[in-house]
Amino acid sequence: AQKITQTQPGMFVQEKEAVTLDCTYDTSDPSYGLFWYKQPSSGEMIFLIYQGSYDQQNATEGRYSLNFQKARKSANLVISASQLGDSAMYFCAMREGRGDSWGKLQFGAGTQVVVTP
Amino acid sequence: ETGVTQTPRHLVMGMTNKKSLKCEQHLGHNAMYWYKQSAKKPLELMFVYNFKEQTENNSVPSRFSPECPNSSHLFLHLHTLQPEDSALYLCASSTLFRRDARTRQETQYFGPGTRLLVL
Repeated sequence: AQKITQTQPGMFVQEKEAVTLDCTYDTSDPSYGLFWYKQPSSGEMIFLIYQGSYDQQNATEGRYSLNFQKARKSANLVISASQLGDSAMYFCAMREGRGDSWGKLQFGAGTQVVVTP
Repeated sequence: ETGVTQTPRHLVMGMTNKKSLKCEQHLGHNAMYWYKQSAKKPLELMFVYNFKEQTENNSVPSRFSPECPNSSHLFLHLHTLQPEDSALYLCASSTLFRRDARTRQETQYFGPGTRLLVL
């Protein structure tokens, strides 16, 4: 079963606007971590932000923030003040703390973001 | 020096060829990973090495053979590949994680990938 769901295959966003990328996850493990990665057309997977299941506050890293709603199993990425260089594929990923999935990073299908001038 | 490097960046090979992909990490990590990214599929974990020991083989065909001579280097040896093996192969590294619910999950850092085309 798919553990990470990204329902938006693609989005256009205007430069300087904020954009929210959706991610929902499925786990029964109380210990897990959620990650967002950016993949430009060059192929490299760039780590953006991390949220632990026990973290009390939403994670923020510069223009990136993670809207973590634990009860809804949602971990949306918010990019503020979009820049042309933000055009890329964005992946949500989860790592669970126990069981056979321990340590494995499981990825969603990704959302393609295109920032327009 | 970039954290995780991969060579070559692009590779075209025939089905009877033997080639190797190389990954090197300069981050002092002790776990390394191979992932495969095919078109229209989520990223798939192939192999995991912790402290040079293979701890995960995600049902990968034997035509892919990993090698981890030390904590900084990881290879993927390829032989008699099929056209459906054409993909982007990504290497990643991280600090060894622990089986402790309270331990912070360590982040994986990726290399730029090798784009492989099998003819």
